[in-house]
Amino acid sequence: KNQVEQSPQSLIILEGKNCTLQCNYTVSPFSNLRWYKQDTGRGPVSLTIMTFSENTKSNGRYTATLDADTKQSSLHITASQLSDSASYICVVMSFFNQAGTALIFGKGTTLSVSS
Amino acid sequence: KAGVTQTPRYLIKTRGQQVTLSCSPISGHRSVSWYQQTPGQGLQFLFEYFSETQRNKGNFPGRFSGRQFSNSRSEMNVSTLELGDSALYLCATRPRGLDTEAFFGQGTRLTVV
Repeated sequence: KNQVEQSPQSLIILEGKNCTLQCNYTVSPFSNLRWYKQDTGRGPVSLTIMTFSENTKSNGRYTATLDADTKQSSLHITASQLSDSASYICVVMSFFNQAGTALIFGKGTTLSVSS
Repeated sequence: KAGVTQTPRYLIKTRGQQVTLSCSPISGHRSVSWYQQTPGQGLQFLFEYFSETQRNKGNFPGRFSGRQFSNSRSEMNVSTLELGDSALYLCATRPRGLDTEAFFGQGTRLTVV
């Protein structure tokens, strides 16, 4: 069964600290993996998208890694800021037939950054 | 460049009623996808429309339907509302298909009482 599991479910860190969010997937065939940030009451915003051949991709203080062999991805946030408080969602795209694609969503990690 | 616009932002309906939500995509975007987001299930894919045709569909009952107009604007309809339909409904638009980057709207918060 195609699944995306994220951990931890929630996380509280102090401002200025680093943190790493995990995403494990059992999706096959794999097309790409995306990380989204969703602020409370708003729609998700794309942070990174990674294909099978990419191991690392950065977007400012956000760095995503992908290990396609172990089917694991991580999102590392450096020098956290209060504005990083949000839900982070991992999404894996698969091709389920020649005509279509499927998006499988993780349930997200809720990050709270405190001062 | 204007973003994705969803209307209304908030909606309260009673069980058994039906509801229509609207999504106006970014100019030039032809693909519109709809998602349901609940605390327990996270984001779940409802369906995708491209050039007025439903191209992909998630595992939702037939009470959930949609359509897309020639200007790429899309509507989603839910009939015979149930309490469990209470959720944030998000639409995402893309220049082409699901393999291109998605831009999400703010969502419509539907509460069924």
